[in-house]
Amino acid sequence: DSGVTQTPKHLITATGQRVTLRCSPRSGDLSVYWYQQSLDQGLQFLIQYYNGEERAKGNILERFSAQQFPDLHSELNLSSLELGDSALYFCASRSSGGSSYTFGSGTRLTVV
Amino acid sequence: GQQVMQIPQYQHVQEGEDFTTYCNSSTTLSNIQWYKQRPGGHPVFLIQLVKSGEVKKQKRLTFQFGEAKKNSSLHITATQTTDVGTYFCAGPVGNDMRFGAGTRLTVKP
Repeated sequence: DSGVTQTPKHLITATGQRVTLRCSPRSGDLSVYWYQQSLDQGLQFLIQYYNGEERAKGNILERFSAQQFPDLHSELNLSSLELGDSALYFCASRSSGGSSYTFGSGTRLTVV
Repeated sequence: GQQVMQIPQYQHVQEGEDFTTYCNSSTTLSNIQWYKQRPGGHPVFLIQLVKSGEVKKQKRLTFQFGEAKKNSSLHITATQTTDVGTYFCAGPVGNDMRFGAGTRLTVKP
C-alpha cells in the first residue's frame, strides 16, 4: 500500500457518459498529480493541484476537469467519453519537501 | 517545450544478460528520477540523481547522470525474471515531472 488511494479500481462505461475518479493523497501531502496511461504507453501528465489550487496543466482535454477539495482528496471528471479515453488513470502525490512521486494503484477505465 | 526522450521502447533479454535504458532531455535537468512499473502495477520510485556525473548503485542496478545533466542511464547487470517491467525516467518541468515513454523489459528464463 503506497498510501495513495484511488477509487474505483475498475470502471466500465459507455461512450458519451461521464465518470468521476477519486484520489486520496498520502497523509500530509499537499500536491496531487493526475496521469493518463494508455495501453503500453507512457505516462501523460494531465493536471496538478496543490493545496486546493490548480498549479499546472498538461495535455488535458476540455472534456476533462479536476478539483482538489479542502480535505486534499482530488477528483478527476471525464465527460462525453470516447473509446479513446480507455486507459489507466494514475494519481500521484508528493510531499512539500520531497521530490519523488508516490503513485496510487490507478483506475482502469474502459469505454465501450 | 521540454521533452524527456527514452530509448529503447522495448528490450527483450535472456535471463543473465545485461540491460540498459537511456534517457535524454532537450534541456538541462536539475535532477532526474527513475521509476519501475511492474506489469499490472503502478510506477514505483527507484532513485533520484542530482549531481553532474553522479553514479548510484542499487544491487544490480546502476544509475548515471550525465556530465551536462541532459542524459541519464539505468543499467541492470545479469537480469533476473523479477526485473521485468517498464522503467521510466522523469525530469522536472516547472512544478511537475515529465516522464519518458518508458522502456519495457521482458526477460526470458
